[in-house]
Amino acid sequence: DGGITQSPKYLFRKEGQNVTLSCEQNLNHDAMYWYRQDPGQGLRLIYYSQIVNDFQKGDIAEGYSVSREKKESFPLTVTSAQKNPTAFYLCASSIRTKAGEQFFGPGTRLTVL
Amino acid sequence: GEDVEQSLFLSVREGDSSVINCTYTDSSSTYLYWYKQEPGAGLQLLTYIFSNMDMKQDQRLTVLLNKKDKHLSLRIADTQTGDSAIYFCAEILVDSWGKLQFGAGTQVVVTP
Repeated sequence: DGGITQSPKYLFRKEGQNVTLSCEQNLNHDAMYWYRQDPGQGLRLIYYSQIVNDFQKGDIAEGYSVSREKKESFPLTVTSAQKNPTAFYLCASSIRTKAGEQFFGPGTRLTVL
Repeated sequence: GEDVEQSLFLSVREGDSSVINCTYTDSSSTYLYWYKQEPGAGLQLLTYIFSNMDMKQDQRLTVLLNKKDKHLSLRIADTQTGDSAIYFCAEILVDSWGKLQFGAGTQVVVTP
């Protein structure tokens, strides 16, 4: 079955630590995205990538980093520079020419202790 | 604040119709989307409409677009308990590839 997976589902981090969230897709999609969701708010774009070895900042990239070494994978690192990292993180992918039709993973809930 | 605006909450009785409203800002948007999010899960694309259409129907879902007022609505006929979720309206910005602009979402609660 084709789909997009995120791991882990729940993640706890101490202040000052970096943490990496995994996102993998087997849909053969060129484009991948990372969003942050806070209660009562819409999704905010962190980073996106249209093709392997290339990515662009979204609206709230500060304190985050990504890599796109493989088509299937788009990991997100939440660094200690992110002031308020506790949130629900969603990864998505799409065909490059249909950027509005995104397939989402199940999400990772990150809590900073 | 959000560029795409939605009411935050809607309560509806099982079997009734639900209407979720959205206003958007970019008059040059080419496509507008409705996504559904069940508790603790990712989003699922429900339907979308091209900007030169006024209406699109897909089984129990009807999308209405009023370009003059930049108003989009999603009607769910015969609402079921499984329709309880958060519904997001989103627009794709013409000058920003890949940047879906989401509203804050409407929490729909279906009561028996």
